[in-house]
Amino acid sequence: ILNVEQSPQSLHVQEGDSTNFTCSFPSSNFYALHWYRWETAKSPEALFVMTLNGDEKKKGRISATLNTKEGYSYLYIKGSQPEDSATYLCALNTGTASKLTFGTGTRLQVTL
Amino acid sequence: EAGVAQSPRYKIIEKRQSVAFWCNPISGHATLYWYQQILGQGPKLLIQFQNNGVVDDSQLPKDRFSAERLKGVDSTLKIQPAKLEDSAVYLCASSLYNSLGTSYEQYFGPGTRLTVT
Repeated sequence: ILNVEQSPQSLHVQEGDSTNFTCSFPSSNFYALHWYRWETAKSPEALFVMTLNGDEKKKGRISATLNTKEGYSYLYIKGSQPEDSATYLCALNTGTASKLTFGTGTRLQVTL
Repeated sequence: EAGVAQSPRYKIIEKRQSVAFWCNPISGHATLYWYQQILGQGPKLLIQFQNNGVVDDSQLPKDRFSAERLKGVDSTLKIQPAKLEDSAVYLCASSLYNSLGTSYEQYFGPGTRLTVT
């Protein structure tokens, strides 16, 4: 069974703080890693699809890096805002029918 | 472009009752997924369709869960009879055709929150 781990489980920061989360996975048989943001009562929203070792992607204040050799990805949020409050999920595609295996998520709460 | 639609958004039933969820994927998306997300866990794939054929249903509890995707567009997921442990959010997602080694973004619907009492 593929084990995708995320840490921390939850995080509470002040507006303006920068923060980061970790997604860890077995480093072999890897096709792509996906990051999603899931706000309460809304649809999970795709943030990044990452495929290459050393890949780095950015969308506004959010960026992500990938290290396939050591089996981890970091998601960074610079200058957190209350609207960043959500659960951040990572998911691994090992290529078996492109099935995604999700981690348990990091729940971020940003307060004023 | 319209997103993935799901209904109902919320459902409360008693154990041993039946329930059905409906999903309409993004137009042109050949691949459709149903996920179950139990509180405190990540979403778990129940079944994956490619057009109207099943690609993966290895984690679908087939004694009580069934799903179909007639005509390769809309899909329904049914639970009969429901158990307490089926309380979860059921997410539907769709993507462009997914072949081995290709990883397109999956677009999710808002989910159906099921409570079994």
